[in-house]
Amino acid sequence: DTGVSQDPRHKITKRGQNVTFRCDPISEHNRLYWYRQTLGQGPEFLTYFQNEAQLEKSRLLSDRFSAERPKGSFSTLEIQRTEQGDSAMYLCASSPGDRDRGEKLFFGSGTQLSVL
Amino acid sequence: AQTVTQSQPEMSVQEAETVTLSCTYDTSESDYYLFWYKQPPSRQMILVIRQEAYKQQNATENRFSVNFQKAAKSFSLKISDSQLGDAAMYFCAYTGNQFYFGTGTSLTVIP
Repeated sequence: DTGVSQDPRHKITKRGQNVTFRCDPISEHNRLYWYRQTLGQGPEFLTYFQNEAQLEKSRLLSDRFSAERPKGSFSTLEIQRTEQGDSAMYLCASSPGDRDRGEKLFFGSGTQLSVL
Repeated sequence: AQTVTQSQPEMSVQEAETVTLSCTYDTSESDYYLFWYKQPPSRQMILVIRQEAYKQQNATENRFSVNFQKAAKSFSLKISDSQLGDAAMYFCAYTGNQFYFGTGTSLTVIP
C-alpha cells in the first residue's frame, strides 16, 4: 500500500493553456474524490467516482473542468483554458467504498496549480 | 445545505498543555459522521478522529478526544499533552452525502 499518489506535485501554466492532473488511489479503493483547496480555506468538493462512474459533480466544476476514471483505477482531472482563478491545490482522495457514508478518506499530497 | 464553521482561525498552545478547537455544523440530517483532519505543512490531509452521530459516547484517539454535542451541533477537538508535531491546520469535516470541510484552525505549539 503506497497511499494515494498525485502527479505532478506542482504545475505552472499560462492563462489559456490546458492542464491535466493524475491521481492513483490506493489499490482496491472503489471511491475516488477530487477537491480544490485555496490558501486559507478548507477543501471544496469537486467530484467523485464510484469505480468508473462519476456519481456527483459540484456546481463549482465549470464546463472547463472534466474528470475521468476510465478503468476504475487512476483518475485524471483536466482543466481547459485555464484562468488565474483556477490557481489552487487540487487534492485527490480515495476510500474503500464499502459503506454508504462515514468512510475515512485517504488523501494524496495534492497538485499545486499556478496560472500566470 | 450542510455547512461547517470553525470560528478560530488561529490558536496556540504551550507544549504539554491542552487545547480545544471548536467546530459547529448545520444539517437537517439525523445520520451523519464528523471528522477532524490535520494538514501539516506538507499539505497532506491526515485523519485525526471520527465520530458517528448516532453514538453518544465521545470518540477518543490517544491524546485526541472530541466533545460531541448533537443537539447544539457542536464538535470540538481536545488535544492533550500537546507536542510540537501537533502544529498544523486542523479541519473539521462533516459527511452526509458529501464531505464538507470547515475553513480550518491553524494551531501553533510553543516550545
